[in-house]
Amino acid sequence: QSALTQPPSASGSPGQSVTISCTGTSSDVGGYNYVSWYQQHPGKAPKLMIYGVYKRPSGVPDRFSGSKSGNTASLTVSGLQGDDEADYYCSSYAGTNTDVFGTGTKVTVL
Amino acid sequence: EVQLVESGGGLVQPGGSLRLSCVASGFTFENYWMTWVRQAPGKGLEWVANIKHDGSEKSCVDSVKGRFTVSRDNAKNSLYLQMNSLRAEDTAVYYCARDMDGDWDAVDIWGQGTMVTVSS
Repeated sequence: QSALTQPPSASGSPGQSVTISCTGTSSDVGGYNYVSWYQQHPGKAPKLMIYGVYKRPSGVPDRFSGSKSGNTASLTVSGLQGDDEADYYCSSYAGTNTDVFGTGTKVTVL
Repeated sequence: EVQLVESGGGLVQPGGSLRLSCVASGFTFENYWMTWVRQAPGKGLEWVANIKHDGSEKSCVDSVKGRFTVSRDNAKNSLYLQMNSLRAEDTAVYYCARDMDGDWDAVDIWGQGTMVTVSS
């Protein structure tokens, strides 16, 4: 149950794209198509942005997209906006009804 | 409105106990898996435990096994987390969360969180 590995920070200018990686193992990310991504603004509860690797919940802009290759999942935010500045966490099913979160990435809009 | 409201957090001494509660409204509680997630001050999210619709299956992270117990009362639309033998490293905001409908293993509704501080 080790945390998934994410880069501590990522940044981009308004309108640009940023991609965040989430690296696990064959026992979590690589073993299941159950990767989700959450956005968290300071002092707020997390918000689901992506589930099932690439699916978007209703209301989430299509600027947010997810993918996976092997043991690494990725979240791409296109057309960066000021409100995208937040912490982002990936999560994956890890077997036997357990989940594991990533270490988190702080996205800064320059 | 779909809502989760946690309560029961507070200051407790190391070795002490605390019971967190979460009341659900706006959806059919008994149809959903439920999850507890915590976040230590300035740190990342940590999955803590979950429980099946009818309470027949439960899982938790290794660091709380034998100390924390998740339970639910569907008649009261309530989720609980009994925390015993608390340690300083259990200090965190504890979130109650609803698992998405369908087998997606993602959380779509979160409570506002309740703070637990373990300190002498």
